[in-house]
Amino acid sequence: GAVVSQHPSWVICKSGTSVKIECRSLDFQATTMFWYRQFPKQSLMLMATSNEGSKATYEQGVEKDKFLINHASLTLSTLTVTSAHPEDSSFYICSARTGNGYTFGSGTRLTVV
Amino acid sequence: GDSVTQMEGPVTLSEEAFLTINCTYTATGYPSLFWYVQYPGEGLQLLLKATKADDKGSNKGFEATYRKETTSFHLEKGSVQVSDSAVYFCALSDRDDYKLSFGAGTTVTVRA
Repeated sequence: GAVVSQHPSWVICKSGTSVKIECRSLDFQATTMFWYRQFPKQSLMLMATSNEGSKATYEQGVEKDKFLINHASLTLSTLTVTSAHPEDSSFYICSARTGNGYTFGSGTRLTVV
Repeated sequence: GDSVTQMEGPVTLSEEAFLTINCTYTATGYPSLFWYVQYPGEGLQLLLKATKADDKGSNKGFEATYRKETTSFHLEKGSVQVSDSAVYFCALSDRDDYKLSFGAGTTVTVRA
């Protein structure tokens, strides 16, 4: 089945630095990728929708200059958390549409210290 | 807008007990409905889905029926196992923009 590989699975970074999270579709072309954020013991909140070759569409309240999304190819979408702060610590998950629904990455646990 | 309301947890059960997690939705159109499961430290896995009214999704002993008249998609399993301990999310997809809206999630713990 369709697989999305997400890396890294966890990362610890210092406050003020930037972190890039990658999601690759391994055996299909992901024209649309969704990026979610999940706080502890809470549901997934959609941050943005990216389409290959075009600018991402951000949900209300999400800072596009802080969460940079790039979807330069049909198999790779990236989320860069710029100038990270402790409040950005969270679990980030990508998801791609497939012919049968959606497939999710395994998530990235970001901890900003 | 579209939304999903899911039974709050946590839910703690004994092995072989019956599990029900209620889920109701609000949508303007005719959404597809999903149940996802998240094991500790992992991403989401599709458990089952239904794309139209009266469809029944089933997988690994879990079932849910798309009830348009009650706007519900309750998850059930007749006999749970310890390995079913996880967080379960009800979700719907708007067919116009394909965005997924998630319920709050229900943590289920099954004790031996």
